[in-house]
Amino acid sequence: EAGVAQSPRYKIIEKRQSVAFWCNPISGHATLYWYQQILGQGPKLLIQFQNNGVVDDSQLPKDRFSAERLKGVDSTLKIQPAKLEDSAVYLCASSKRSTGANVLTFGAGSRLTVL
Amino acid sequence: AQTVTQSQPEMSVQEAETVTLSCTYDTSESDYYLFWYKQPPSRQMILVIRQEAYKQQNATENRFSVNFQKAAKSFSLKISDSQLGDAAMYFCAYTVQGAQKLVFGQGTRLTINP
Repeated sequence: EAGVAQSPRYKIIEKRQSVAFWCNPISGHATLYWYQQILGQGPKLLIQFQNNGVVDDSQLPKDRFSAERLKGVDSTLKIQPAKLEDSAVYLCASSKRSTGANVLTFGAGSRLTVL
Repeated sequence: AQTVTQSQPEMSVQEAETVTLSCTYDTSESDYYLFWYKQPPSRQMILVIRQEAYKQQNATENRFSVNFQKAAKSFSLKISDSQLGDAAMYFCAYTVQGAQKLVFGQGTRLTINP
């Protein structure tokens, strides 16, 4: 099966500019996650969708970050305006099950550099 | 709040030898799952092995095995017969039954010396 697709792989912007990342999960996977991974740290969950509804966005900086998952498939994560501390890799993951030992499959990530 | 701690920022091992990566976690839950993920320079997070907390038997996947000590809240990964392709960042992760959010540790960078 095809994996989790993400684009772009790399993005360089200046602070206060905006950026958007796109994720296409594995077909049939109901749950989609966006993680932020700052260099040298473990990934941190930003937002979790179940179909097109938000399950957890407690760590999403809502004043500048937004995410949507229209029609319960693709998702877009937007940052506006970007800050220097937003420089990170943004990982998208998806999973099939909503309970039990649910295994996440990750995409290759989008690396953001804010200058 | 659930936390995962990896106390070894970096580890190195000679090719073909055995290495153990440490992980401890903090939780008040009784039903949960633990994972080890590998992240090579390509950044793709790959599942290495998983353990269900209700299972006493330690999980094994080929050269990878875990030592799960539930009372001590410890979950170490042993890699036997290390290969050059094992070089990567390794992350320990935790999730609760039904919640599905993975909580990650800080990672351990593993270097394999030829």
